[in-house]
Formats: sequence, structure tokens, C-alpha cells
Amino acid sequence: GQNIDQPTEMTATEGAIVQINCTYQTSGFNGLFWYQQHAGEAPTFLSYNVLDGLEEKGRFSSFLSRSKGYSYLLLKELQMKDSASYLCAVTDSNYQLIWGAGTKLIIKP
Amino acid sequence: SAVISQKPSRDICQRGTSLTIQCQVDSQVTMMFWYRQQPGQSLTLIATANQGSEATYESGFVIDKFPISRPNLTFSTLTVSNMSPEDSSIYLCSVGTESSYNEQFFGPGTRLTVL
Repeated sequence: GQNIDQPTEMTATEGAIVQINCTYQTSGFNGLFWYQQHAGEAPTFLSYNVLDGLEEKGRFSSFLSRSKGYSYLLLKELQMKDSASYLCAVTDSNYQLIWGAGTKLIIKP
Repeated sequence: SAVISQKPSRDICQRGTSLTIQCQVDSQVTMMFWYRQQPGQSLTLIATANQGSEATYESGFVIDKFPISRPNLTFSTLTVSNMSPEDSSIYLCSVGTESSYNEQFFGPGTRLTVL
């Protein structure tokens, strides 16, 4: 079956760095997305990886290892507004988007 | 990015009734999707709304329960039929982009509570 695993919840301190991991087992792979979802709001697109390596976008970076079925989202210089759920999603061989359950990130002052 | 609106934003409905949710996009898009997100859970794809033909439903979702219309490239509706409390959820419309990422943009969602 298709499966995406990510931690349910993480806590970090304002100004610090946090890494949210995602492992996946899917039938084929055509890219991995990270979305941010604030409570009561719709998900918004953060990043996309299809090749191995690190993609950096400001305070956020996303890493992919296709051989390991592994990705992480790295958030630097954490701000209170980064408190949200972070959803990992993988496009399989049929271009179906498979969603993880999301990681709720709590930022403390 | 596309601007997506949904109506209603929220509703409280009685068991056994039906609710139609509208999704309007400010530009023509090829791909439109309907998702359900139950409290504390991730997104579950209900169906892909196809313009001019029947929607493509995911396993566990059927047309009789969730009829979908897509009369043109900017508009779609999802009806939740014969509702029960288990249908209480957030329903999200999304559109696929034509970019190299093919990411999805989401509407603000419709929060449905069934009593």
C-alpha cells in the first residue's frame, strides 16, 4: 500500500531551527511537496522536490533522498507565525497526490 | 497563482438533508479537485472534477453521495447528499497549476457541521 509517515507533533523555540521528517512508500514517484496549513485555513504550497538534494527558499529548505524514500523540511529562525501544520505529499506513478497526516508544529517564545 | 473562492464558508445542517458547495476560480484551470479534511486529519481526495464529463471518484466515494458538477473551466460544485454527522468535515476545492511543479492551490474551505 501507499504510505507517508511524519511525526504528529513537534515543539520548537522561537529563533531556533527545526527539521520535520517525512518518509514515504509509494507506487512510483513523481515529486514531493510540502504544504503549510494554519489552523482553520487552507493549505498553502511551500516547496517541491523531484531530484535528490536540498532546495532552499528563504528561511525554509526542503531535502529529498529518493533512494531512501525520505524528505525533510528545515525551518530556520523560527517565528511565532510558523506555528502551523506541515503536510508532506507525494505524487505517485499515476500522478495521484498521496498526503501525509501532517505535523503540527508548536513554537514557544 | 489562482484565486479560489468557496461558498458557503460554513454551514450547520440537519441529518438527511443535502448541501451544495460552490467553488469559483478567477481563471480557467484544467484540473479541479475536491477534498475532505476531518478534524486533526490530513486531506482525503474525494474526486477529480472533469469539465464536460463525469467526475472521477476515489475509492470509498460514490457519485450518489457526492455528486459533482463542472460546467466550465472556472466553476465546480460538490453536493453532500443525505448527510449524517459523519459527514461533518471541512471540504476543500483545489486547482492544479500548469507550472513545472504542478502544485495545487486550495480554496478557503467549507466547514460543515451535521447535527
